[in-house]
Amino acid sequence: DVKVTQSSRYLVKRTGEKVFLECVQDMDHENMFWYRQDPGLGLRLIYFSYDVKMKEKGDIPEGYSVSREKKERFSLILESASTNQTSMYLCASSPSGREETQYFGPGTRLLVL
Amino acid sequence: GNSVTQMEGPVTLSEEAFLTINCTYTATGYPSLFWYVQYPGEGLQLLLKATKADDKGSNKGFEATYRKETTSFHLEKGSVQVSDSAVYFCALRPRGGADGLTFGKGTHLIIQP
Repeated sequence: DVKVTQSSRYLVKRTGEKVFLECVQDMDHENMFWYRQDPGLGLRLIYFSYDVKMKEKGDIPEGYSVSREKKERFSLILESASTNQTSMYLCASSPSGREETQYFGPGTRLLVL
Repeated sequence: GNSVTQMEGPVTLSEEAFLTINCTYTATGYPSLFWYVQYPGEGLQLLLKATKADDKGSNKGFEATYRKETTSFHLEKGSVQVSDSAVYFCALRPRGGADGLTFGKGTHLIIQP
């Protein structure tokens, strides 16, 4: 079974803190993605990566950055957390190709106070 | 740009009722289409998919047919169960396989015994 794991299920941070969300997949997938999920808005793409050290902006990249130093690991970074970044963050991975399924991790619920 | 529109709900049905959740999309070219399901407290998991016009995806009694002429991918099930209570997301993936999914806002389905 494909497994996508995220470092934390719940996280509480203060405004202005630097926050790292980690995602690891064990299926040698080329593509990895970060989404945020908010009530009434569905899921929105923040960043994605199709190869090591490669990254592309999604629909809402402002206030975020990413890092992909190894194929299996994709990190989302909030340089200076703000209250409007309180959300559920979902990581996903997939093989290359538009027909391929994206596999999601369990999510990290982040609260910024 | 790409977009997905689905009924938001909540949709409340009695057990054994017939289910339809409408989904229409806007996209350039011929995207792949997906239905994902999110059970309470869990991440998203793929329910079914279709990658070209007139394809029918099916799983666990759910079905959806890729209709290019109406740009739709409606989800149906003949007889729902209480265990089907969840949030359902319609999504598309553009022709460029590395791109992320574009999601609808999700439909909360509640099945009453």
